[in-house]
Amino acid sequence: GESVGLHLPTLSVQEGDNSIINCAYSNSASDYFIWYKQESGKGPQFIIDIRSNMDKRQGQRVTVLLNKTVKHLSLQIAATQPGDSAVYFCAENVREYGNKLVFGAGTILRVKS
Amino acid sequence: DTEVTQTPKHLVMGMTNKKSLKCEQHMGHRAMYWYKQKAKKPPELMFVYSYEKLSINESVPSRFSPECPNSSLLNLHLHALQPEDSALYLCASSQLHGQGNTIYFGEGSWLTVV
Repeated sequence: GESVGLHLPTLSVQEGDNSIINCAYSNSASDYFIWYKQESGKGPQFIIDIRSNMDKRQGQRVTVLLNKTVKHLSLQIAATQPGDSAVYFCAENVREYGNKLVFGAGTILRVKS
Repeated sequence: DTEVTQTPKHLVMGMTNKKSLKCEQHMGHRAMYWYKQKAKKPPELMFVYSYEKLSINESVPSRFSPECPNSSLLNLHLHALQPEDSALYLCASSQLHGQGNTIYFGEGSWLTVV
């Protein structure tokens, strides 16, 4: 079925530490993945994306890792800041559903100062 | 800041009202989307427009009627809604519809049906 991600977990990290947010996807035909950040009362904000022919992509303070063997996606945030506190969603582009972007359940990231 | 603009930010409507949500983007994107998001849940796709034509309707009830007047504008007409339709309605756009095209979201319209 259409299932991306796990239950809505919460990750608490100390300011300055690195954060790792995980996501499991279920559709092996998915060819493109995006991480979004959603702050309270706002729309999802694009963070970083990765195509299925890659296994790692780096941005500014963020890295996305893709393991197609186990259908796992992770987002690493370096030197986590209070402004990183938000809900993080992974999303997969499912071609067999007409290129539908399916979102995971989300992870709450709380940064402690 | 998002370049997808949605109005109104908040809307309260009765079950017999007719209202519309509006969305605008000036990035030259040819694909536009409506998503619905309930509290503490991920966004769920409702409609996809590609080159101003409806390409995906996720079995959305007819009380929601999308319209794409031109490549920059997307509307969602609302009529005879139910209280369970209360949610955040997100508009989004991408260069094209399909793999590798990043979808950018607006800030959403908060809808309350009373």
